[in-house]
Amino acid sequence: GDSVTQMEGPVTLSEEAFLTINCTYTATGYPSLFWYVQYPGEGLQLLLKATKADDKGSNKGFEATYRKETTSFHLEKGSVQVSDSAVYFCALSGMDSSYKLIFGSGTRLLVRP
Amino acid sequence: DAGITQSPRHKVTETGTPVTLRCHQTENHRYMYWYRQDPGHGLRLIHYSYGVKDTDKGEVSDGYSVSRSKTEDFLLTLESATSSQTSVYFCAIRPSGQANYGYTFGSGTRLTVV
Repeated sequence: GDSVTQMEGPVTLSEEAFLTINCTYTATGYPSLFWYVQYPGEGLQLLLKATKADDKGSNKGFEATYRKETTSFHLEKGSVQVSDSAVYFCALSGMDSSYKLIFGSGTRLLVRP
Repeated sequence: DAGITQSPRHKVTETGTPVTLRCHQTENHRYMYWYRQDPGHGLRLIHYSYGVKDTDKGEVSDGYSVSRSKTEDFLLTLESATSSQTSVYFCAIRPSGQANYGYTFGSGTRLTVV
């Protein structure tokens, strides 16, 4: 079945460092891909999405490109801030009638001043 | 801001008791979902609904039931709570049966079964 694999965390960076969180997926067809962010004590918020191959999603300085050839959707940011500390989830939307999202296990990011 | 609210936000209950969690939306979205979040597992789908009285199971549905008698409300019931059901439960909604729509999540319910 469809699945999403994310890099293990926590990822600890200093402020202004470059961020990459790896995400790869297994799916039939052409799923839509998403990154969600969860701040402590809150629900998940949509960060960005891409719906077809080579699309780049972007928001708040974060970017991810839908790479069908490598089945990847890595999250990047050029300069992280302390306020970016959160848990990041990669997800795909399956093509069956439930339209459910399938999530990776999440990657915790800690940014130190 | 949300057109989606969950209640209660926190609950402690005893093993063997029934528990009902509520998800309420004001967005008139067709699809509603219940997930549980556990360390190392991300979010796992329990049940979902694609319309009033139309529900189906997710990957971890054992021990849970759901009901949707109105568009705006989706209830999750733990029939006889067990310690393995201690978790954070999230409800989510989406407007359409198209794969490129993301979800809007509620703030979650932290359930502890003692």
